[in-house]
Amino acid sequence: AQSVTQLGSHVSVSEGALVLLRCNYSSSVPPYLFWYVQYPNQGLQLLLKYTTGATLVKGINGFEAEFKKSETSFHLTKPSAHMSDAAEYFCAVNNNAGNMLTFGGGTRLMVKP
Amino acid sequence: EAEVAQSPRYKITEKSQAVAFWCDPISGHATLYWYRQILGQGPELLVQFQDESVVDDSQLPKDRFSAERLKGVDSTLKIQPAELGDSAMYLCASSLPLAAGETQYFGPGTRLLVL
Repeated sequence: AQSVTQLGSHVSVSEGALVLLRCNYSSSVPPYLFWYVQYPNQGLQLLLKYTTGATLVKGINGFEAEFKKSETSFHLTKPSAHMSDAAEYFCAVNNNAGNMLTFGGGTRLMVKP
Repeated sequence: EAEVAQSPRYKITEKSQAVAFWCDPISGHATLYWYRQILGQGPELLVQFQDESVVDDSQLPKDRFSAERLKGVDSTLKIQPAELGDSAMYLCASSLPLAAGETQYFGPGTRLLVL
């Protein structure tokens, strides 16, 4: 079985501040990990994913995430928040050949001017 | 840029009525997924197709939900009869042939409100 926990359902940062969104997973086998972003009344857009290889993954819009096996974590960061980053962010895990994604509960990021 | 298309974008219906949602995946994507996203939660997989065959429908409430992908391209998800608890966003996604780690591309979703 696989599961995802996103700590903090709401995160608020000031424009220009560091963004850190936390994701921990449980998986019995090496996982594939994803971060998606969802703007209001829209579908999900892939930010980045980890499959194999380099554990620091760079994505779109200046986001990156680091896979830490020992901590079972895949936290999402961005050095400087922009107002346009305000959205809902979902971490997801897949560890099966069927490519089934299990999503976390999401973190709503708010950016203050 | 190719996108997953869904219609309608919004649907309001009364309980006990039938509703249907349509999805057209990215051209060439053999795998299609339907998810349900309750407000404030992450998406949950309802059904997964590989071409026209169901790969996984273990989370689909089969007493009222049905899904088909007759020609292995577009797909329809139906609810009959709708219940108040079915109010949610219904998301369709597609990916290249079934393999772990393949990126799933999502459509804009259909937001359903059952009154």
